[in-house]
Amino acid sequence: GNSVTQMEGPVTLSEEAFLTINCTYTATGYPSLFWYVQYPGEGLQLLLKATKADDKGSNKGFEATYRKETTSFHLEKGSVQVSDSAVYFCALIDSGGGADGLTFGKGTHLIIQP
Amino acid sequence: NAGVMQNPRHLVRRRGQEARLRCSPMKGHSHVYWYRQLPEEGLKFMVYLQKENIIDESGMPKERFSAEFPKEGPSILRIQQVVRGDSAAYFCASSPFRREDYEQYFGPGTRLTVT
Repeated sequence: GNSVTQMEGPVTLSEEAFLTINCTYTATGYPSLFWYVQYPGEGLQLLLKATKADDKGSNKGFEATYRKETTSFHLEKGSVQVSDSAVYFCALIDSGGGADGLTFGKGTHLIIQP
Repeated sequence: NAGVMQNPRHLVRRRGQEARLRCSPMKGHSHVYWYRQLPEEGLKFMVYLQKENIIDESGMPKERFSAEFPKEGPSILRIQQVVRGDSAAYFCASSPFRREDYEQYFGPGTRLTVT
């Protein structure tokens, strides 16, 4: 079946630090990959996505590249802000795997200190 | 354009009662997904519905849980005879297309507490 593994949190960084959150996946078919962000008390918002190998998704200074050879989709940002504090979820959807829903990692809680 | 709406936001039920969670998708969206977020776990897919049809319920528990998306009105996730293990956040998402590369838009969730 499909699965997503991402680094456990919480991850605590100082403002303006470089961020990497690792994400690897297993999939039956050829999935599309997503990063979602969840702020306290809210639902998930799409941060970025990539639908084929070597695609780079980017938004709000965040980037992730679809690496088929390493089955990875690591999230990066060059300089984090306090407002980036949230829970980040890596996810995939794989029509070849049968289910129509997203498969999520467990989430990484990011805390940015001023 | 209003986003995905869920109500209630918080629901408290005693063991053995029924819980009904409602989801109104974004305007123009006819595809609805339900997910459950248990403590210390990630979100798990439960069911995918289109208007009047259940398309994929591979993530639904076999007993006590049901879902519908009628021609008119919101989608409903129904949990009969709730137990403490049903305490979780339930999220609904919607999409205009059934395409794996298309975004699902999430609601704010319903937090169910079973006492």
